Amino acid sequence: QKEVEQNSGPLSVPEGAIASLNCTYSDRVSQSFFWYRQYSGKSPELIMSIYSNGDKEDGRFTAQLNKASQYVSLLIRDSQPSDSATYLCAVQGGSEKLVFGKGTKLTVNP
Amino acid sequence: DTAVSQTPKYLVTQMGNDKSIKCEQNLGHDTMYWYKQDSKKFLKIMFSYNNKELIINETVPNRFSPKSPDKAHLNLHINSLELGDSAVYFCASSQTGPISYGYTFGSGTRLTVV
Repeated sequence: QKEVEQNSGPLSVPEGAIASLNCTYSDRVSQSFFWYRQYSGKSPELIMSIYSNGDKEDGRFTAQLNKASQYVSLLIRDSQPSDSATYLCAVQGGSEKLVFGKGTKLTVNP
Repeated sequence: DTAVSQTPKYLVTQMGNDKSIKCEQNLGHDTMYWYKQDSKKFLKIMFSYNNKELIINETVPNRFSPKSPDKAHLNLHINSLELGDSAVYFCASSQTGPISYGYTFGSGTRLTVV
């Protein structure tokens, strides 16, 4: 059974649009949730963290968490070509282990 | 610069050889990790050390042996390399506590076994 699932995409949006990335997880005791961005050939970079139900906004990024539905999402407003990357959802349960989804590749077309 | 640094960045070697990858962090974190990212970009944890003590050891062939001389260093030694070991290996670190702030990753080591 997969622990963290993401739509592998690819997801393609025009510049200026909203990109919506989704993630579900199986471990109900998960406590911490993260979104990482990974450019091709680079290392994962933390862009958002969320710990409680609801929305968390940081600039053009909004993370949403629904623990009852075991669902996490990331919205990117006013998408830019520089947002083109693979976005990794990561979930942390009782242990320190961070479990990653397989990532969603986003392309923002100028 | 505060960071997680790995060496080497690229490693090309023949099957059957033994190789090591080194990792150092100067963030003051108490936990370090090794992750493997395969050709399909899936990041999977291999090992974790907290203050030099092994705390996570996923299902990894025993040809892989981590070693942590102190909490700022975590090395990975691989014996008898196989073609399937080709991947990008990432080191990461974090600080344990009541709130998790996620991991900081090194730049990765691209291992190619020929």
